[in-house]
Amino acid sequence: AQSVTQLDSQVPVFEEAPVELRCNYSSSVSVYLFWYVQYPNQGLQLLLKYLSGSTLVKGINGFEAEFNKSQTSFHLRKPSVHISDTAEYFCAVSLGSGGYQKVTFGTGTKLQVIP
Amino acid sequence: GAVVSQHPSWVICKSGTSVKIECRSLDFQATTMFWYRQFPKQSLMLMATSNEGSKATYEQGVEKDKFLINHASLTLSTLTVTSAHPEDSSFYICSATGASGYTFGSGTRLTVV
Repeated sequence: AQSVTQLDSQVPVFEEAPVELRCNYSSSVSVYLFWYVQYPNQGLQLLLKYLSGSTLVKGINGFEAEFNKSQTSFHLRKPSVHISDTAEYFCAVSLGSGGYQKVTFGTGTKLQVIP
Repeated sequence: GAVVSQHPSWVICKSGTSVKIECRSLDFQATTMFWYRQFPKQSLMLMATSNEGSKATYEQGVEKDKFLINHASLTLSTLTVTSAHPEDSSFYICSATGASGYTFGSGTRLTVV
């Protein structure tokens, strides 16, 4: 079974500074990888996803992530954060074949942008 | 884009009563819907997978008689929490799959008093 690890439960960062949220996955087969953002008492919004092809994936709100197969990582980055980026971010993985499979989520990383 | 509507967004019910949560795909047909539960300050845990017209597949440890899932059409799945207890209080989120991939609903905050 696949799994995903988000080592940082909280990441404080000053406004306009760059940020990287770490995500490592474990799977013996090909996977799809996702990053979602959740604002308080709201559902999930997809930031970006890696299915295949280019390992650098660009998403919404200026976020991007790089799929690194050798390091089994899919870290999320943004060069300059805004106050509005304060939220919880979830890395997720699903099997990369056989149609839509269930998605397994990491434990989440709270990004706190400090003015 | 793909939109999933989840209703209600929040509900308070008395212990022992049942609550139904609806998940609708508004502009696409969802062959598969997933139901997740999120405890405070925790990640989302998959409860069950439902396919239109067939019985839901529950994850280990999830009581199928307590959490009834019905996926009667390609655009609607419902989760009914039966005989709710305070420990069922949680945030429930559905996800529907279509041509655009996975789309999540906005979630339902259930509080059982």
